[in-house]
Amino acid sequence: DTAVSQTPKYLVTQMGNDKSIKCEQNLGHDTMYWYKQDSKKFLKIMFSYNNKELIINETVPNRFSPKSPDKAHLNLHINSLELGDSAVYFCASSPAGAPRPQHFGDGTRLSIL
Amino acid sequence: EDKVVQSPLSLVVHEGDTVTLNCSYEVTNFRSLLWYKQEKKAPTFLFMLTSSGIEKKSGRLSSILDKKELFSILNITATQTGDSAIYLCAGPTSGTYKYIFGTGTRLKVLA
Repeated sequence: DTAVSQTPKYLVTQMGNDKSIKCEQNLGHDTMYWYKQDSKKFLKIMFSYNNKELIINETVPNRFSPKSPDKAHLNLHINSLELGDSAVYFCASSPAGAPRPQHFGDGTRLSIL
Repeated sequence: EDKVVQSPLSLVVHEGDTVTLNCSYEVTNFRSLLWYKQEKKAPTFLFMLTSSGIEKKSGRLSSILDKKELFSILNITATQTGDSAIYLCAGPTSGTYKYIFGTGTRLKVLA
């Protein structure tokens, strides 16, 4: 019954490769997010989609491209991976409307060799 | 620039102690402040505070917001080892969907 599920949980890959992380939520929420959490545990928003429409696009390299095929799914594709991309990536969702608590997935730990 | 600052950065206490975690914020169009607990994996929601001076409580945890002074505190009484976690506070800014997180307070409770 996982509410927000991400795959894969771990991703170990070489510099220069392209990889994708998938996220699905079964909470019926309209808004989904991608966050990056660095080694110091600082959680920083990257993107947000509301009903498949991109509403937040923070200053991340354009090697990162989110895609939302429907409001229950938000995927993250990363091209030409760099060492600095190593982090834990969290997907989250929340109901639409006024600020609402977000539900987070368990994260994808990305390690670049 | 919008920011959320938490203190202390880390804290070690013994079971049974009471702790107070602090969160100060400067966010555009402030509407609410949220507290999360992060153990090994996903941050989990604790409280959302929108009104100044009204305490939210859940078991041994409680939180209050001071909109005039732009800060919030999270109290944990009679701490247990299971309270060991990183506690994060966040404020949505510039509308409703962009959440600024603080750096977190890492709490360790010793048996």
